[in-house]
Amino acid sequence: AQKVTQAQTEISVVEKEDVTLDCVYETRDTTYYLFWYKQPPSGELVFLIRRNSFDEQNEISGRYSWNFQKSTSSFNFTITASQVVDSAVYFCALSEAGGGGNKLTFGTGTQLKVEL
Amino acid sequence: DAGVIQSPRHEVTEMGQEVTLRCKPISGHDYLFWYRQTMMRGLELLIYFNNNVPIDDSGMPEDRFSAKMPNASFSTLKIQPSEPRDSAVYFCASTTPLAGGYNEQFFGPGTRLTVL
Repeated sequence: AQKVTQAQTEISVVEKEDVTLDCVYETRDTTYYLFWYKQPPSGELVFLIRRNSFDEQNEISGRYSWNFQKSTSSFNFTITASQVVDSAVYFCALSEAGGGGNKLTFGTGTQLKVEL
Repeated sequence: DAGVIQSPRHEVTEMGQEVTLRCKPISGHDYLFWYRQTMMRGLELLIYFNNNVPIDDSGMPEDRFSAKMPNASFSTLKIQPSEPRDSAVYFCASTTPLAGGYNEQFFGPGTRLTVL
């Protein structure tokens, strides 16, 4: 069975600090997809990134970057120069290929608080 | 695109009453998902449909919960009778796979259900 672990329940940083959110996953499939979603205080779930299991290239989007390492089954998310608007709960999720459609297994989320 | 539409946004009801949550997926999406979010259990998949057909309802907690998708543009999640432990935020999401792979799920704003 697939599983996503976000060991960090809550992280507090001061604005402009860099912060990394950890995500470790378990799956028996060789083809799978990993996602990060952001849930701001308003409650909606906002898609941030999708990565398939065959693409281990790291990705950078503005202040956001993602590090995917199959060897350690990790898909970590780094925010550079954090801002107060980054305060939210961040979820890592896994979707296996075949049979299961697109259904997502979510981690428990990491609450990020960015303070002035 | 209007995005995924859910109604109502907030529902307060008394134990024993029937509750119906509604969802309109993004036009053209052939997968629809219902999730529940609670503090205790996080985000959990309840059921998902493909082309209006229920594919996996293993996450539906018990017989009091039922979901239907009578057409491609409408789905309901019904709880009858409702209980206080059903209090949660219920999200609907939709997606359609990209050529050769999967795609992210697009989430609605959620319905916050409170059962007194």
